[in-house]
Amino acid sequence: GQQVMQIPQYQHVQEGEDFTTYCNSSTTLSNIQWYKQRPGGHPVFLIQLVKSGEVKKQKRLTFQFGEAKKNSSLHITATQTTDVGTYFCAGGADGLTFGKGTHLIIQP
Amino acid sequence: DTAVSQTPKYLVTQMGNDKSIKCEQNLGHDTMYWYKQDSKKFLKIMFSYNNKELIINETVPNRFSPKSPDKAHLNLHINSLELGDSAVYFCASSPYGASDYGYTFGSGTRLTVV
Repeated sequence: GQQVMQIPQYQHVQEGEDFTTYCNSSTTLSNIQWYKQRPGGHPVFLIQLVKSGEVKKQKRLTFQFGEAKKNSSLHITATQTTDVGTYFCAGGADGLTFGKGTHLIIQP
Repeated sequence: DTAVSQTPKYLVTQMGNDKSIKCEQNLGHDTMYWYKQDSKKFLKIMFSYNNKELIINETVPNRFSPKSPDKAHLNLHINSLELGDSAVYFCASSPYGASDYGYTFGSGTRLTVV
């Protein structure tokens, strides 16, 4: 079945540093979605990418979808303590397959 | 006005018991899902229902039985609970097909089997 791999599993940064998480799929994706889960919370939808090579921005967050539609990345510029949480990529048609997530830990 | 609500929020029970988790969405979405999140935060899809019909049934023990009385509700019944069933179970909903709005998740049910 479809596999979505995500790295790194954990990322420790100092507040103000940048952060990037990478997602790779074993198959071509029709679209990819990104979610954020705060500690003790539930996954919250951030964005969906559909087109090959697509780049979308949300304030300090930049999302990219690879040209081959098999990889994606999320980059956060100048992290803040409110960015703490686990970031998941997910792909699939009738039911999203989630990556294992990247846990972002921020040291003030 | 919670969009996707699950009950109960916490569930502690003994091995061998049978329990149910309820889920309701008021978003008018056609599709609902159950996901299991283990202690390492891995999210795995269990079931997907579209307009009361089962679409996806991943390799889940048949002790787990979903029931969808209407498209706004998707309940999960678990028989003969085992220690390995301890996890957080999330209900989610979405419009049918790819959507710019993604999945909306409930706040989760933390199941602890002792």
